Amino acid sequence: GIQVEQSPPDLILQEGANSTLRCNFSDSVNNLQWFHQNPWGQLINLFYIPSGTKQNGRLSATTVATERYSLLYISSSQTTDSGVYFCAQLRAEGGSEKLVFGKGTKLTVNP
Amino acid sequence: DSGVTQTPKHLITATGQRVTLRCSPRSGDLSVYWYQQSLDQGLQFLIHYYNGEERAKGNILERFSAQQFPDLHSELNLSSLELGDSALYFCASSVATRSGGARDTQYFGPGTRLTVL
Repeated sequence: GIQVEQSPPDLILQEGANSTLRCNFSDSVNNLQWFHQNPWGQLINLFYIPSGTKQNGRLSATTVATERYSLLYISSSQTTDSGVYFCAQLRAEGGSEKLVFGKGTKLTVNP
Repeated sequence: DSGVTQTPKHLITATGQRVTLRCSPRSGDLSVYWYQQSLDQGLQFLIHYYNGEERAKGNILERFSAQQFPDLHSELNLSSLELGDSALYFCASSVATRSGGARDTQYFGPGTRLTVL
């Protein structure tokens, strides 16, 4: 089945630093989403990005579908960026769709 | 705010009990998905409903069941609860199944944190 692997598992930064989170997936991409889970547990959609590059403020994401990976860039990190970042790939079969999640990257941004 | 609502936010109950979690999808979304997030298993797909019909089951226990009502809200019923059922339960919604483009994006509710004592 689909495998989604994220790295690194943990990342500690000082405020203002930049970071790159990686997501490798085993199957061709139908739909790749990045989420941020904040310390209160909420899952927040960041990007829907099956291919190409998108930017939203200090965050940007790039998916290279032919090489089966996606990158999430966080620039000028802030303490509010702390939390767990998940990537998830859509698996569609038999008239249904489900997201297969990686194990996440836990980001801690220190002031 | 994703537009997906879930109630209750927190639920504390005892082993052997039964609980019902409720989800209202975003306006216009026909598909509802349930996911479980536990410390040892991570985020896992449980079940998918589309316009009132069950479409797919994932790692859902037989003690768990769900339904989607004509107004499209969904309920997840958990019975004979065990300590290991303690988890964060998310509901997500999307426009439709097997549609292309951004409409496949799944939007998640705030979750229900279940604690079984």
